[in-house]
Amino acid sequence: DARVTQTPRDKVTEMGQEVTMRCQPILGHNTVFWYRQTMKQGLELLAYFRNRAPLDDSGMPKDRFSAEMPDATLATLKIQPSEPRDSAVYFCASALFGGTYEQYFGPGTRLTVT
Amino acid sequence: SQQGEEDPQALSIQEGENATMNCSYKTSINNLQWYRQNSGRGLVHLILIRSNEREKHSGRLRVTLDTSKKSSSLLITASRAADTASYFCATDVSGGSEKLVFGKGTKLTVNP
Repeated sequence: DARVTQTPRDKVTEMGQEVTMRCQPILGHNTVFWYRQTMKQGLELLAYFRNRAPLDDSGMPKDRFSAEMPDATLATLKIQPSEPRDSAVYFCASALFGGTYEQYFGPGTRLTVT
Repeated sequence: SQQGEEDPQALSIQEGENATMNCSYKTSINNLQWYRQNSGRGLVHLILIRSNEREKHSGRLRVTLDTSKKSSSLLITASRAADTASYFCATDVSGGSEKLVFGKGTKLTVNP
């Protein structure tokens, strides 16, 4: 049963600390998305990659956020330094471009910055 | 900014009743998708309808699309307690169908 995995599932950290979230997309999917979900803003697209190359990171605060795909099986989202307003659930999703456009979501990382 | 806006924000019904959720969007689309999110979980794709389609069925789900009104509806028939979840519509951004913009969702509660 192919699925997107994310680690950690929960993260509590203090303001100013670095946070790294990891995602393993479904094998064979060539497009990876990072979303952030809050009650106030809903689900926002932060960045996405195709074939490991960043296509759009316009939704991401550039000064503190960075997203990479070191290889086809790993996507990372890093926040440095973290702030309380970064508290949210971060989702990774993967899809097969040229396929059905259906996105498969991971379980999310719940980040709390105190 | 949000492309899709769901209505109502919350809906509470009894098991066995039908649930209808609506979505309105602002710009032209290639397709519209509906997703479900159970509490504390990731989103799950339910159904996709293309801009040249008017209605689509999948099991107990029926989706309609009216591009002239820029609106879609999701009907869940014979609802079950397990259908309790939030439902989101997502539209593609012009220029590429893989990038989606999600609405804020309708929270559906089905009471046993």
